[in-house]
Amino acid sequence: GAGVSQSPSNKVTEKGKDVELRCDPISGHTALYWYRQSLGQGLEFLIYFQGNSAPDKSGLPSDRFSAERTGGSVSTLTIQRTQQEDSAVYLCASSALELGVYEQYFGPGTRLTVT
Amino acid sequence: AQKVTQAQTEISVVEKEDVTLDCVYETRDTTYYLFWYKQPPSGELVFLIRRNSFDEQNEISGRYSWNFQKSTSSFNFTITASQVVDSAVYFCALRSYNTDKLIFGTGTRLQVFP
Repeated sequence: GAGVSQSPSNKVTEKGKDVELRCDPISGHTALYWYRQSLGQGLEFLIYFQGNSAPDKSGLPSDRFSAERTGGSVSTLTIQRTQQEDSAVYLCASSALELGVYEQYFGPGTRLTVT
Repeated sequence: AQKVTQAQTEISVVEKEDVTLDCVYETRDTTYYLFWYKQPPSGELVFLIRRNSFDEQNEISGRYSWNFQKSTSSFNFTITASQVVDSAVYFCALRSYNTDKLIFGTGTRLQVFP
């Protein structure tokens, strides 16, 4: 079946602009995660959605970052007033915890470059 | 606090050599999960294995094997008879039983030369 998809694959934006990154999880997976991979920082957790529960936002680096998940499926990560330090690869993952699928399956990522 | 340490930043081997990637973790939880992921040059993280803290049985899958030792908080990964296609960055990760986020190590870049 189809894996996790993300769009766009690459995004170049000017400092100060807002960007939206999209994630389509694997069909039937109720858990969705966002991570960021940047040079020197490794892979860091940003936010996590599970079903209808309140999201775990503990990893969001600032209030310029937000995410929503509509209809329990597609998620959008929004970065407002982008800064150069936001440049990174943003990875989305999904899993099906209620089915005992504890491993997370990752999408190809969106490479964000802030100029 | 939870932490994953992959002390080897980069390893280079010649094809057919065996190579072991080290992973040491820290957690106060008694129940947790450990993972290995592979990130080839294409960039997509590929799930390799999950191990529960209450299952210390080692696992072998083809040329891959994993050695989980709770006494030393280690979960090492060995590739036997390495191949050029094994060249990638390998990440070890930890997840506590009461949270779903993964704590990643900084990764080990493996280069296998022909």
